[in-house]
Amino acid sequence: DAGVIQSPRHEVTEMGQEVTLRCKPISGHNSLFWYRQTMMRGLELLIYFNNNVPIDDSGMPEDRFSAKMPNASFSTLKIQPSEPRDSAVYFCAQARQGSNYGYTFGSGTRLTVV
Amino acid sequence: GENVEQHPSTLSVQEGDSAVIKCTYSDSASNYFPWYKQELGKGPQLIIDIRSNVGEKKDQRIAVTLNKTAKHFSLHITETQPEDSAVYFCAARKGGANNLFFGTGTRLTVIP
Repeated sequence: DAGVIQSPRHEVTEMGQEVTLRCKPISGHNSLFWYRQTMMRGLELLIYFNNNVPIDDSGMPEDRFSAKMPNASFSTLKIQPSEPRDSAVYFCAQARQGSNYGYTFGSGTRLTVV
Repeated sequence: GENVEQHPSTLSVQEGDSAVIKCTYSDSASNYFPWYKQELGKGPQLIIDIRSNVGEKKDQRIAVTLNKTAKHFSLHITETQPEDSAVYFCAARKGGANNLFFGTGTRLTVIP
């Protein structure tokens, strides 16, 4: 089990560009979460999916942010257009729906928008 | 929704001493409380968790206690070592739900 795999590990982009962050989930884990981590606000839940269906996207900061989970093997978080205040570490995490266990986090993508 | 508060935000201890991190939660329906350790450049890793039907759980040098009446839970690390230095997060989850609510984190530094 390779765990939750995120790519890229680091991304530097210019303001206004589109950014796509990727997450490859663990097989058999049917809940997927996207978090953003900053020094000021800590870990913020952006959106989560159960069985590939978005359940709660109330944490998505603006319409510039969108997330998809087209199948159980892949999820993306897209920011278009990106802004410097989007600079943060973005984590993908997984859990088994209804399980009594916590999340498994990926290693994160450090995004810098200049 | 749930609100999880965590204290202190930073904590420095001498190697070999104990460290205690405290969290409070607001929703009495929460019944699962995990703790995560985040090392530099990595994602948070689950280190211990407790469910609302027990008051204490131990795993070697770490332990967690839960007071359901007061709605607070704590992480205790004994005989601290330099490799315990990291940011620690508490979290809470309601029964039947999937999403965790995280505290703001505690940066623990163990001084050799």
